[in-house]
Amino acid sequence: DSGVTQTPKHLITATGQRVTLRCSPRSGDLSVYWYQQSLDQGLQFLIQYYNGEERAKGNILERFSAQQFPDLHSELNLSSLELGDSALYFCASSVGREPERIVDNEQFFGPGTRLTVL
Amino acid sequence: LAKTTQPISMDSYEGQEVNITCSHNNIATNDYITWYQQFPSQGPRFIIQGYKTKVTNEVASLFIPADRKSSTLSLPRVSLSDTAVYYCLAILTGGGNKLTFGTGTQLKVEL
Repeated sequence: DSGVTQTPKHLITATGQRVTLRCSPRSGDLSVYWYQQSLDQGLQFLIQYYNGEERAKGNILERFSAQQFPDLHSELNLSSLELGDSALYFCASSVGREPERIVDNEQFFGPGTRLTVL
Repeated sequence: LAKTTQPISMDSYEGQEVNITCSHNNIATNDYITWYQQFPSQGPRFIIQGYKTKVTNEVASLFIPADRKSSTLSLPRVSLSDTAVYYCLAILTGGGNKLTFGTGTQLKVEL
């Protein structure tokens, strides 16, 4: 158990819909990362937050957005869903001891949310 | 286009040393190179991290040459439980600094 929790575990929805994925980082971790994993694209970095502020952006679509709240939990919002958005979405957290680096410490990954778009 | 590439798969026998190399041709100067292990239906798990030269912990060693354009994960005396996918992670330049996972190497360990 990494200490990172993600809800829901599975999500099945239809094209055009909007969903919200939730992540609770390990206690004390300030950095939260979101990743998408699919068979054809592999592990893709989406976005990182550090202590409530956006820190780095990856291949995140405009239809996707995220935020980190004052209690440090994070949500990833996916809208106008397409079939190709079906994937495993992972959240990871790290201590964030060196905020000047994008990757400063070991990241602890949650169990993931499996999204299926029909 | 900045890329991080790894061999697709490797096979080994129990007790052997396995070396997996990742090429990251446009690596940023300030960030670590990290390796992760992933089992099916689980999130990746941290193995080791380094900036340059050699780093060793209780499970692996990481070799990084001076130019940092590649890194090699070394797993000593692998066992069946090391069968997994291994990913390198680096920050690549080109269109801004991008946190980039490698393509992943499926390691299969047999008796």
